[in-house]
Amino acid sequence: GAGVSQTPSNKVTEKGKYVELRCDPISGHTALYWYRQSLGQGPEFLIYFQGTGAADDSGLPNDRFFAVRPEGSVSTLKIQRTERGDSAVYLCASSFLPGSGGEQYFGPGTRLTVT
Amino acid sequence: QQQVKQSPQSLIVQKGGISIINCAYENTAFDYFPWYQQFPGKGPALLIAIRPDVSEKKEGRFTISFNKSAKQFSLHIMDSQPGDSATYFCAASTNTGNQFYFGTGTSLTVIP
Repeated sequence: GAGVSQTPSNKVTEKGKYVELRCDPISGHTALYWYRQSLGQGPEFLIYFQGTGAADDSGLPNDRFFAVRPEGSVSTLKIQRTERGDSAVYLCASSFLPGSGGEQYFGPGTRLTVT
Repeated sequence: QQQVKQSPQSLIVQKGGISIINCAYENTAFDYFPWYQQFPGKGPALLIAIRPDVSEKKEGRFTISFNKSAKQFSLHIMDSQPGDSATYFCAASTNTGNQFYFGTGTSLTVIP
């Protein structure tokens, strides 16, 4: 079956621009996570959705970052007024159950470069 | 503060050797400890996971050893192969939490 997909695979944008990153989770997975992975580091949690609602957004670094999941499936991570420090790989994961109850399946990530 | 500390940062092993990667944690509420394998340009993929009710779990060439009292767990890769060359991440989560806390990763190179 299809895994988690993310688009685009690469995104280059200028400082100050707005970007949207898309995640298509595995069908039937109600839990969806966004992580950010900087070079040489492990993934860092950004936000978790259970269904349509953001159940935990404690990892979002500031109010320039926002994510939605309007129909409980596809999610979009939105970054306003991008900064060079936002450059990283943004990973999406989904699971059937949240937390330690379910294995998280990761997508290939979107590599964001802010110039 | 890093919730899960991982070492070494990099590891070079001869083909056929044993690769050992270690992780330590402080939060005793953690109850799920997965290991992920990541190849360049790919997302992390679950390799093997353990819960604290057992001290060891083996799947093929991969074994997790878990020491609850020491709050440490490790990944052992037996008969390491060049195809195992990748970055490995340990992680931890709680049954009431929503996120996985990842270590900083170990870059493994298996020399033919």
